[in-house]
Amino acid sequence: DADVTQTPRNRITKTGKRIMLECSQTKGHDRMYWYRQDPGLGLRLIYYSFDVKDINKGEISDGYSVSRQAQAKFSLSLESAIPNQTALYFCATSGRDEAFFGQGTRLTVV
Amino acid sequence: AQSVTQPDIHITVSEGASLELRCNYSYGATPYLFWYVQSPGQGLQLLLKYFSGDTLVQGIKGFEAEFKRSQSSFNLRKPSVHWSDAAEYFCAVGARGGYQKVTFGTGTKLQVIP
Repeated sequence: DADVTQTPRNRITKTGKRIMLECSQTKGHDRMYWYRQDPGLGLRLIYYSFDVKDINKGEISDGYSVSRQAQAKFSLSLESAIPNQTALYFCATSGRDEAFFGQGTRLTVV
Repeated sequence: AQSVTQPDIHITVSEGASLELRCNYSYGATPYLFWYVQSPGQGLQLLLKYFSGDTLVQGIKGFEAEFKRSQSSFNLRKPSVHWSDAAEYFCAVGARGGYQKVTFGTGTKLQVIP
């Protein structure tokens, strides 16, 4: 099994719809992250969490929300999706020095 | 503010040739530096990291990187590229203590031709 599992892997949704991306990890780390990847922009941090009760905004949190349901689970929601949220989304978990990434969710908002 | 520059968006090399991917950083203290690889359809995988000590760092898959403080660089090298190395490579810089402090570069896409 993968260390970090993201579901779904691909999703097409309509403008204005609510969508949730889910992430679970088996590394046992407390820290979890959501990133967005756009061509030519690299990875940008959306939200991060140090534990279930500690959630923080990253560089580009507007239009997104998150929920840390358990140490191993961290979900990302788009309350009302818009086309410029079309991107590749990655979940990650880290110890002190190394991050482990999921395979990504390709989200298209039409 | 910290930043990372990967000046080459796309690089093409022949299989068996040597490879160097450039990375320049801006950071106010001693940086922690990383190289990640993203194969098609996959997440990012850590190739190597530098925190302190020997400035030449060995990583997985035959890669190495050299930290040059005077040039603010952390270039990735491989002496002989294999077709399976075709991927996108990301340099990153930050502070120890969590990836919320890590800034990723924009990536270099490597194409390997026979």
